[in-house]
Amino acid sequence: EAGVVQSPRYKIIEKKQPVAFWCNPISGHNTLYWYRQNLGQGPELLIRYENEEAVDDSQLPKDRFSAERLKGVDSTLKIQPAELGDSAVYLCASSSSGQGIKETQYFGPGTRLLVL
Amino acid sequence: DAKTTQPNSMESNEEEPVHLPCNHSTISGTDYIHWYRQLPSQGPEYVIHGLTSNVNNRMASLAIAEDRKSSTLILHRATLRDAAVYYCILLGAGGTSYGKLTFGQGTILTVHP
Repeated sequence: EAGVVQSPRYKIIEKKQPVAFWCNPISGHNTLYWYRQNLGQGPELLIRYENEEAVDDSQLPKDRFSAERLKGVDSTLKIQPAELGDSAVYLCASSSSGQGIKETQYFGPGTRLLVL
Repeated sequence: DAKTTQPNSMESNEEEPVHLPCNHSTISGTDYIHWYRQLPSQGPEYVIHGLTSNVNNRMASLAIAEDRKSSTLILHRATLRDAAVYYCILLGAGGTSYGKLTFGQGTILTVHP
């Protein structure tokens, strides 16, 4: 079974430029998560989707970050414009909804973003 | 959100057991205890979870204190591939924290050959 796929794996951009990250979750997983992980810290949730609906986006900086999950499968996270402080690893995870607080999240390898 | 406290780092020798502690004194009765680990340059991976009873799987064992205010992840025979950051996380059942993984700093496990 294929795991969570993310692309690109690495991205280097200059500040004020836009950037987008793509995630393909495990087949059949209805719940999709985007996390941001700063160096030396644990991941922090940015947004959680149940199918196409964003059910928790309270931690998403909405002035420059946006996300979408069309058709309830793939998802894209965008930053426009990027700032130096956005340099981090962006992780996508998915889970099979219905298990609630027992559900296991499966993470992708992440996209490492460097903003110069 | 209920918080967890873990040591910043631990060391072990290969082939020896490792006991990774976690304190969660403010745990609520419906919080599940989850453990994830993150190998270098990879995303976190699920290790084990439990509610009240001790749990075993092919990766590890989870020992939960009777009062549930602490737990211990047990790696029975550490290998070099077990070197990672280990996160102890409470997964809540109520309100906005429902199903939300809140990662702390975790414990950096170093395994010596």
